[in-house]
Amino acid sequence: AQKITQTQPGMFVQEKEAVTLDCTYDTSDQSYGLFWYKQPSSGEMIFLIYQGSYDEQNATEGRYSLNFQKARKSANLVISASQLGDSAMYFCAMREWNSGNTPLVFGKGTRLSVIA
Amino acid sequence: ETGVTQTPRHLVMGMTNKKSLKCEQHLGHNAMYWYKQSAKKPLELMFVYNFKEQTENNSVPSRFSPECPNSSHLFLHLHTLQPEDSALYLCASSLAGGPGDTQYFGPGTRLTVL
Repeated sequence: AQKITQTQPGMFVQEKEAVTLDCTYDTSDQSYGLFWYKQPSSGEMIFLIYQGSYDEQNATEGRYSLNFQKARKSANLVISASQLGDSAMYFCAMREWNSGNTPLVFGKGTRLSVIA
Repeated sequence: ETGVTQTPRHLVMGMTNKKSLKCEQHLGHNAMYWYKQSAKKPLELMFVYNFKEQTENNSVPSRFSPECPNSSHLFLHLHTLQPEDSALYLCASSLAGGPGDTQYFGPGTRLTVL
């Protein structure tokens, strides 16, 4: 079974509008972390935001916020006031921790295109 | 500033060549990772090193040989590759300290096998 599911292969958003990128996850661990990365066409994976499974507040980093709904096992990324430079691939990832340090597992990604 | 560097950034090689990819992290991390990213495929974990010890080999063919001489350096030695090995190879590092342990990535090496 897929650990991370991103159901939107591609999304379009108007500049200055907000956009939500969906991510659902599957784990039986109680302790885990959720991450979002941005990958521009240059290829580098850029860390955006982190949410821990025990965090009660939704994480925010500047224009990025993570809408964490634990019971639904969803960790959607919200980008406010979209900019042209936000056009990129976005990956959701998870680290399970009950077994100790394990590498991140990534979803297939969503390609976001910001339109002027 | 990424803190993780990879060289070369681009590499073209024939199937009979031997080449190496290099990754260096300047973040004081203890874990390093190799990922492969092919077109239209999700990111595939290849190898994991924790404190210089290989802790994961994700069924990678033996034509890919990793080496981690210390916590700051990671190599991927390539030999007798196939055209389907053409991909973006990404290196990452992390502290290996908990569920919030963020992996930081290098810019990648774009490999083309002819």
